[in-house]
Amino acid sequence: EAGVAQSPRYKIIEKRQSVAFWCNPISGHATLYWYQQILGQGPKLLIQFQNNGVVDDSQLPKDRFSAERLKGVDSTLKIQPAKLEDSAVYLCASSLGTLAGANNEQFFGPGTRLTVL
Amino acid sequence: DQQVKQNSPSLSVQEGRISILNCDYTNSMFDYFLWYKKYPAEGPTFLISISSIKDKNEDGRFTVFLNKSAKHLSLHIVPSQPGDSAVYFCAARDGSGNTGKLIFGQGTTLQVKP
Repeated sequence: EAGVAQSPRYKIIEKRQSVAFWCNPISGHATLYWYQQILGQGPKLLIQFQNNGVVDDSQLPKDRFSAERLKGVDSTLKIQPAKLEDSAVYLCASSLGTLAGANNEQFFGPGTRLTVL
Repeated sequence: DQQVKQNSPSLSVQEGRISILNCDYTNSMFDYFLWYKKYPAEGPTFLISISSIKDKNEDGRFTVFLNKSAKHLSLHIVPSQPGDSAVYFCAARDGSGNTGKLIFGQGTTLQVKP
């Protein structure tokens, strides 16, 4: 079974530029998550999709971050314009259902490391 | 507002000995707890979990203990192996909603020395 795929793996941009990340979840997984992991911290949920609908985006900085999951499969996360504090690893995860827990494990991709100069 | 805290940034143990990783939380609405393991340049992988109605869950060398009154959980690895060297994240599910949102701790870097 193929895992969660993410691209690119690394990205370096200057502040005020735009950047986009792509995620392909595990086939059949209805729920997709985007996390931000700043160095020295744990992952923080940015947005959660159930199929192509948003379930939780309470921690997404909507003035500069946007995400979409067209057709309920792949997803893109965009930052426009980027700030220095956006430097982090952006992790995508997917799960079969919505609630975390037994039989609904979240599977993570390798992440995209973003450096904003 | 750090609702899940792992106060030890790092831990070093000898191969064959016990590793104990600790995690504290503040929100009484958390109803499910998980441990994830992360190797460099990889995403976190699920290790073990425990429901708030239990106080212990065991899976091979890994055991998680939950003390609800103290809002504390711990992960025990016995015996520790060099391949266990990784960053370990504690996570808690917010049971007050229906999203299953996970809140992660800062992580503890475990080094198991041969």
